[in-house]
Amino acid sequence: KNQVEQSPQSLIILEGKNCTLQCNYTVSPFSNLRWYKQDTGRGPVSLTIMTFSENTKSNGRYTATLDADTKQSSLHITASQLSDSASYICVVSKEQAGTALIFGKGTTLSVSS
Amino acid sequence: DGGITQSPKYLFRKEGQNVTLSCEQNLNHDAMYWYRQDPGQGLRLIYYSQIVNDFQKGDIAEGYSVSREKKESFPLTVTSAQKNPTAFYLCASSMGTQSTEAFFGQGTRLTVV
Repeated sequence: KNQVEQSPQSLIILEGKNCTLQCNYTVSPFSNLRWYKQDTGRGPVSLTIMTFSENTKSNGRYTATLDADTKQSSLHITASQLSDSASYICVVSKEQAGTALIFGKGTTLSVSS
Repeated sequence: DGGITQSPKYLFRKEGQNVTLSCEQNLNHDAMYWYRQDPGQGLRLIYYSQIVNDFQKGDIAEGYSVSREKKESFPLTVTSAQKNPTAFYLCASSMGTQSTEAFFGQGTRLTVV
């Protein structure tokens, strides 16, 4: 069964600290993996995308990693800011006809001062 | 500005009434999607459309209907047959269903009163 599992479900950190969010998937055949940020009451916005051959990709203070062998990805946030408080959703794209996006349930991050 | 627009942002419906959520995009995207998001849940696919005048059921299509008469528009009707319609609804579009990135609207929060 094609699934995307994220952990932890929620996380609280102090402003300025680093954190890492995890995403494990069983989607096959794998096409790519994308991390989205969703602010409360808003639509998700793409942060990074990673294909099978990529191991690391950065977008400012966000760094995503991908291990296609173990089917794991992580999103590392450096020097967190209050504006990082949001839900982070891992989405895996499957190579097939028809819709191919499989969503994780997200990790809710709260950054406090 | 190119983008995807959902309206209204908030919607209240009485039990037994049908209601239609609007989704418009000017990105020239072929594929459009409707998702439902409940607290603590991932995004669940309701319907998707790959081209004009064609659409397919997603994982939770019961109680919903859609149309795709124009490339730019993909309205979702929540019918009285949907037993638990209170939720956050997200519309998205992409170049095609194999596209790696979906662009999301800002969502419509539907509340049944």
